[in-house]
Amino acid sequence: DARVTQTPRHKVTEMGQEVTMRCQPILGHNTVFWYRQTMMQGLELLAYFRNRAPLDDSGMPKDRFSAEMPDATLATLKIQPSEPRDSAVYFCASARGTGFFSGANVLTFGAGSRLTVL
Amino acid sequence: LAKTTQPISMDSYEGQEVNITCSHNNIATNDYITWYQQFPSQGPRFIIQGYKTKVTNEVASLFIPADRKSSTLSLPRVSLSDTAVYYCLVRDGSNTGKLIFGQGTTLQVKP
Repeated sequence: DARVTQTPRHKVTEMGQEVTMRCQPILGHNTVFWYRQTMMQGLELLAYFRNRAPLDDSGMPKDRFSAEMPDATLATLKIQPSEPRDSAVYFCASARGTGFFSGANVLTFGAGSRLTVL
Repeated sequence: LAKTTQPISMDSYEGQEVNITCSHNNIATNDYITWYQQFPSQGPRFIIQGYKTKVTNEVASLFIPADRKSSTLSLPRVSLSDTAVYYCLVRDGSNTGKLIFGQGTTLQVKP
């Protein structure tokens, strides 16, 4: 089965440090999503890309979070500086989107990156 | 922004049918409703997708009324391995087109 690969699976860091999470979407999927999951907030959409272009990143704290797709095989989510409240599981998902308002609802998720900021 | 509402938790016994309803206002008029299943330490996994009326696959059925303001996931004859969190996913009907997850329903299947 095709998979979305995320690294690292686990990350423990100290407050103020930079954290970079990486995602390899499924080959041929042109839509990539970053979600954050916490017990309190559930699954929150941070950002998503279509054909490597950012379509929406309104869910991200702009002052510390940034998301990019350097190429079709790599998406990155960076936090600088990290804070304890950023502790969560970060999921990347990809989909084959056929249009902006239709399709692309069948997301394949990676296993997640569990981030702990001390 | 679209808001989805699901029961926080449900209990069932093996062999029973389980129905989980998600309410969603301001859903995009031309988009599908999708349901996902999530086990601990894993990402959500696609179960079923529908636009209106009823859809059935080998895992579940999905019922969507004509007004599309809700949807019901039906799991026939659940087993212990169906214990998981179930999410509905809809696209916001505003111009953002964002995909919004519900808060999830934790289903506990008992022997």
